[in-house]
Amino acid sequence: EAQVTQNPRYLITVTGKKLTVTCSQNMNHEYMSWYRQDPGLGLRQIYYSMNVEVTDKGDVPEGYKVSRKEKRNFPLILESPSPNQTSLYFCASSGGPTGEDEQYFGPGTRLTVT
Amino acid sequence: GIQVEQSPPDLILQEGANSTLRCNFSDSVNNLQWFHQNPWGQLINLFYIPSGTKQNGRLSATTVATERYSLLYISSSQTTDSGVYFCAVYALNFGKGTSLLVTP
Repeated sequence: EAQVTQNPRYLITVTGKKLTVTCSQNMNHEYMSWYRQDPGLGLRQIYYSMNVEVTDKGDVPEGYKVSRKEKRNFPLILESPSPNQTSLYFCASSGGPTGEDEQYFGPGTRLTVT
Repeated sequence: GIQVEQSPPDLILQEGANSTLRCNFSDSVNNLQWFHQNPWGQLINLFYIPSGTKQNGRLSATTVATERYSLLYISSSQTTDSGVYFCAVYALNFGKGTSLLVTP
């Protein structure tokens, strides 16, 4: 089954404790991206990647890191999480290199930083 | 960036009713998607519809790119249709969504 998976689905952590949210897709897609969704602000793109070793900032990259060492994986790293990073996070992938094709979203990760 | 506006913002339907959700966008596009966010937060692809009309069961969508709008039709609504419906352009510019509640 074609899908985007994220782990963990739910995470409660404390300020400053480094964490990684994994994202994997099995569709051989070139384009992958991360979003956060906040009430009243909608979905905003954090980072995106057009291919292996090619990543770039989205609209709200501060406080986040990403890497793309393999085509299928695109982890999101919070080196020192803060309470304002409490949010619902989505990973997505798309077949074309620029993200202009149909996007497929993962199930989401609810992160709470206390 | 491209502005995306959805209407209505909120909608309450009785089970079995039909509805039309609208998405207007500020510039010509060749990429538009409709999503359903269920009460558990999952974003589910409904349609990738840069132009034309598509149907999937009780749902259908039409995009008129030259007039910068798209419509999502829900027929014979069910309680499981409840949630928030988003349209998005290039998956970067999301509308604020239409929150739908279908009551038994």
